[in-house]
Amino acid sequence: DTEVTQTPKHLVMGMTNKKSLKCEQHMGHRAMYWYKQKAKKPPELMFVYSYEKLSINESVPSRFSPECPNSSLLNLHLHALQPEDSALYLCASSLASTGRDEQYFGPGTRLTVT
Amino acid sequence: AQKITQTQPGMFVQEKEAVTLDCTYDTSDQSYGLFWYKQPSSGEMIFLIYQGSYDEQNATEGRYSLNFQKARKSANLVISASQLGDSAMYFCAMRASRAAGNKLTFGGGTRVLVKP
Repeated sequence: DTEVTQTPKHLVMGMTNKKSLKCEQHMGHRAMYWYKQKAKKPPELMFVYSYEKLSINESVPSRFSPECPNSSLLNLHLHALQPEDSALYLCASSLASTGRDEQYFGPGTRLTVT
Repeated sequence: AQKITQTQPGMFVQEKEAVTLDCTYDTSDQSYGLFWYKQPSSGEMIFLIYQGSYDEQNATEGRYSLNFQKARKSANLVISASQLGDSAMYFCAMRASRAAGNKLTFGGGTRVLVKP
């Protein structure tokens, strides 16, 4: 099973809402990532978890809060977002956070903030 | 700092023909890895091929091959016998060995449209 799943596929939320994005993998990968991708742009790294610990935060605003409850699951909690946060949010995983290991991506969640 | 440049924003290719997507990179690291990903309109990033900086042979994966010219700092992707399903955005990415957390630096992407 080389699959990373993400739910929901689409999400529309108001600026005062609280919502969460979920990512799951069962490949035994110990590194997991959140990326943000605006239209016609490459993905931008937001967070990296390595062995369930946050190892990189790319100066992401605190209205985005990641959580890694276990080695298979990664959440992104959203609160008080702005319309400019509308984007495709991609989750990825890899065997470890060092070495040549390629990252496997999920299908993404398309987020619209109204 | 690492930088990836993809100079072709978009291109058309005839079905069954080969296409070359350009990628140049800049890094001061001696050890690094280069990746190509495909992103269809559905959004998922699909890993295609990997080339390590110390690999002597050019990488190949099925219809994909990587033309690695280290001295020129280029890592062009060649897709042979294009198919309609190859229509997508293609991203070149690099990870330097010292990059913490397996961080990838992506190029701006090239959109490929395969014509029947």
